[in-house]
Amino acid sequence: EADIYQTPRYLVIGTGKKITLECSQTMGHDKMYWYQQDPGMELHLIHYSYGVNSTEKGDLSSESTVSRIRTEHFPLTLESARPSHTSQYLCASSGQALTNLYGYTFGSGTRLTVV
Amino acid sequence: AQKVTQAQTEISVVEKEDVTLDCVYETRDTTYYLFWYKQPPSGELVFLIRRNSFDEQNEISGRYSWNFQKSTSSFNFTITASQVVDSAVYFCALSEARRGSQGNLIFGKGTKLSVKP
Repeated sequence: EADIYQTPRYLVIGTGKKITLECSQTMGHDKMYWYQQDPGMELHLIHYSYGVNSTEKGDLSSESTVSRIRTEHFPLTLESARPSHTSQYLCASSGQALTNLYGYTFGSGTRLTVV
Repeated sequence: AQKVTQAQTEISVVEKEDVTLDCVYETRDTTYYLFWYKQPPSGELVFLIRRNSFDEQNEISGRYSWNFQKSTSSFNFTITASQVVDSAVYFCALSEARRGSQGNLIFGKGTKLSVKP
């Protein structure tokens, strides 16, 4: 059973719509991450958070925004979706480095298509 | 700076062949972790192994084996007698492990493995 949940699993949406991709984890992890990935391609870190009220932009510039009001919840929002946002979005979380047996735990991803 | 290089972008083999996925890393830390993840077509990244920098013993798990060599900064992954279900993208990753670090993972670009029947 997954400890990190992403919804929706698939989303097709029209250009200009506002969307929020949900990510929740039940492990009490302080650190959470969002990656953008084109099919079969490398992972691009777009946002991360080290705890409540902490958010940072990642290595890849993104028009999306994130919030971290609760430890378990790290939603990603696109104010106005465009076809260039079509991609897979992966959420991940991790605990403290020294006890991080699995590195990151990943959600199943959201495959977003903007038409 | 930390870096992970997976030079093989795509590999295609026929079922039952052995295949090795290469991973070379760069770090100035003396304490670090190395990881391998599998991403099947369904999309989720699945943890395969973690190795810390002080443990250079090779590891075998069924058809999977890992060869960690600090002298060459490599952490290669071998699948013996490959199967169609092994078809996936495989990512190698590196993280700091010293006390006080955030332990963020640095991922390689991934190697796409296709195993044909």
